[in-house]
Amino acid sequence: GAGVSQSPRYKVAKRGQDVALRCDPISGHVSLFWYQQALGQGPEFLTYFQNEAQLDKSGLPSDRFFAERPEGSVSTLKIQRTQQEDSAVYLCASSLDRTVNNSPLHFGNGTRLTVT
Amino acid sequence: DQQVKQNSPSLSVQEGRISILNCDYTNSMFDYFLWYKKYPAEGPTFLISISSIKDKNEDGRFTVFLNKSAKHLSLHIVPSQPGDSAVYFCAASVAQGGSEKLVFGKGTKLTVNP
Repeated sequence: GAGVSQSPRYKVAKRGQDVALRCDPISGHVSLFWYQQALGQGPEFLTYFQNEAQLDKSGLPSDRFFAERPEGSVSTLKIQRTQQEDSAVYLCASSLDRTVNNSPLHFGNGTRLTVT
Repeated sequence: DQQVKQNSPSLSVQEGRISILNCDYTNSMFDYFLWYKKYPAEGPTFLISISSIKDKNEDGRFTVFLNKSAKHLSLHIVPSQPGDSAVYFCAASVAQGGSEKLVFGKGTKLTVNP
């Protein structure tokens, strides 16, 4: 496709359930980022991949959050035992290069997660 | 602690006039700054950027100004159009540990009235 694709667009989970959010980056893009955007806030960094290597996971809020990109293309963000504070929009972004100076991030439309 | 601050949650201007959106940052290690625009139910889209070695960058109706000594940047939109109505996010990049993650402000909602 032409842009970054995320699925599902909306996800409602009961507290304690596990969820998996998918991101299809733009073909050929090396870098892939996951961001979390709470209501009324800006996006906050979660984790970063360069190809299949997860180079930075410093933004993951707890060990319930796990991300992977096994073949350097599609990425999955998994949240185990969801809590109400996990409710947010999860944004995936990709870029052609490893540095944002050379190649700005292209964002998907996000997955809105609601934990009840 | 917010490293990138957008102190105006909203701004309303008349079509054809100038829109000025402001952003302040605290981390002197930031070396690249970007503005993103976001419509409801969509992801942010890149608008314009500026390197810390410059003080101005222009692209059509959009100009970004950087004042490093004041740790302040602004986005000017001239002339403003109703289609510019959106939330604008200021972001800064930090190069550390092999990634260049972006740090975003909370955004300013711009409304351009016809």
